[in-house]
Amino acid sequence: KQEVTQIPAALSVPEGENLVLNCSFTDSAIYNLQWFRQDPGKGLTSLLLIQSSQREQTSGRLNASLDKSSGRSTLYIAASQPGDSATYLCAASNDYKLSFGAGTTVTVRA
Amino acid sequence: DAGVIQSPRHEVTEMGQEVTLRCKPISGHDYLFWYRQTMMRGLELLIYFNNNVPIDDSGMPEDRFSAKMPNASFSTLKIQPSEPRDSAVYFCASSLAGNYNEQFFGPGTRLTVL
Repeated sequence: KQEVTQIPAALSVPEGENLVLNCSFTDSAIYNLQWFRQDPGKGLTSLLLIQSSQREQTSGRLNASLDKSSGRSTLYIAASQPGDSATYLCAASNDYKLSFGAGTTVTVRA
Repeated sequence: DAGVIQSPRHEVTEMGQEVTLRCKPISGHDYLFWYRQTMMRGLELLIYFNNNVPIDDSGMPEDRFSAKMPNASFSTLKIQPSEPRDSAVYFCASSLAGNYNEQFFGPGTRLTVL
């Protein structure tokens, strides 16, 4: 069974600082890895999807890397803003099924 | 384009009552997923469908839970009878196999069973 872990559970940074969010998974035979954002009381918004054959994916200030051999993915958010405050979840896909980490709750202080 | 649509957004019911949650996936998507989110257990996959056929229901917690997908644009998750421990946020998601199965989530239904 795929186990996904996210460290740290919470993070508080001043505005402008770069964010580094970590995700690890136990089964390296993944189809893809997806990063989501969840605002309080809201649904999940897909941020980035990294295919198993890719090493990284970028969208604006967001960059996600994937190292299947070590079972790790990292989400980088450059020049953080208060609007980036949310919970970030990573999910590993095996056979079309997503296994989620518990998330990292980010607070960006103005 | 409309995203995944779920109804109702909030449901409050009493223990023992039947609850039906509804989902309309993104048009053209061939996979549909039902998830449950709780503080204790996080996000868990309950069941998923491919082309309206249930593929894996191993995450369904008990026989009280059932899900159907009568056509490509509609799915239901039913709980009968409901219990207080079923209180959670239930999400529906859909994806397209040809798009690397990137999953798109609905806004969720917050269920409270008293």
